[in-house]
Amino acid sequence: GNSVTQMEGPVTLSEEAFLTINCTYTATGYPSLFWYVQYPGEGLQLLLKATKADDKGSNKGFEATYRKETTSFHLEKGSVQVSDSAVYFCALSEANTDKLIFGTGTRLQVFP
Amino acid sequence: DAGITQSPRHKVTETGTPVTLRCHQTENHRYMYWYRQDPGHGLRLIHYSYGVKDTDKGEVSDGYSVSRSKTEDFLLTLESATSSQTSVYFCATRGGEPYNEQFFGPGTRLTVL
Repeated sequence: GNSVTQMEGPVTLSEEAFLTINCTYTATGYPSLFWYVQYPGEGLQLLLKATKADDKGSNKGFEATYRKETTSFHLEKGSVQVSDSAVYFCALSEANTDKLIFGTGTRLQVFP
Repeated sequence: DAGITQSPRHKVTETGTPVTLRCHQTENHRYMYWYRQDPGHGLRLIHYSYGVKDTDKGEVSDGYSVSRSKTEDFLLTLESATSSQTSVYFCATRGGEPYNEQFFGPGTRLTVL
């Protein structure tokens, strides 16, 4: 079945460091791909998305490119801030269904 | 923000008691979902609805039932709560195509003693 695999956390960085959180997926057809962010005590918020191969989603300095050849959707940010500390979830939307499949989440901790 | 509220936000109950969680949305979204979030599992789909009175099971539906009598409300019921159902429960909504992203509520923390 379809699945999403994320790197295990926590990822611990100093402020202004470069961030990469890896995400790979297994899916039939052509899913849409998403990154969601969850700040402490809150629900998930959509961070960015890409709906077809080679699309790049971007928001708030974060970017991810839909790579069909490597079945990946890695999240990157050039310079993280303390306020980016949160849990990040990669997800895919199964083609022709109404459901999202989530990865297990990666906790990011940024220290000043 | 898709105008999603969940109630209660926190609940402590005892094993064997029935529990109902409510999700309310103001965006007239067609699709609504219930997830549970547990450490090491991410979010897992319990049940979802694709319209009034139209619901279907997710991957962890055992021990849960749902009802949707109005577009804006989606209820999750634990008929007889067990300690394994201690979790954080999130409701989500989605509009119709082509918008396939989901919007999440703030969550309900449920503890079953």
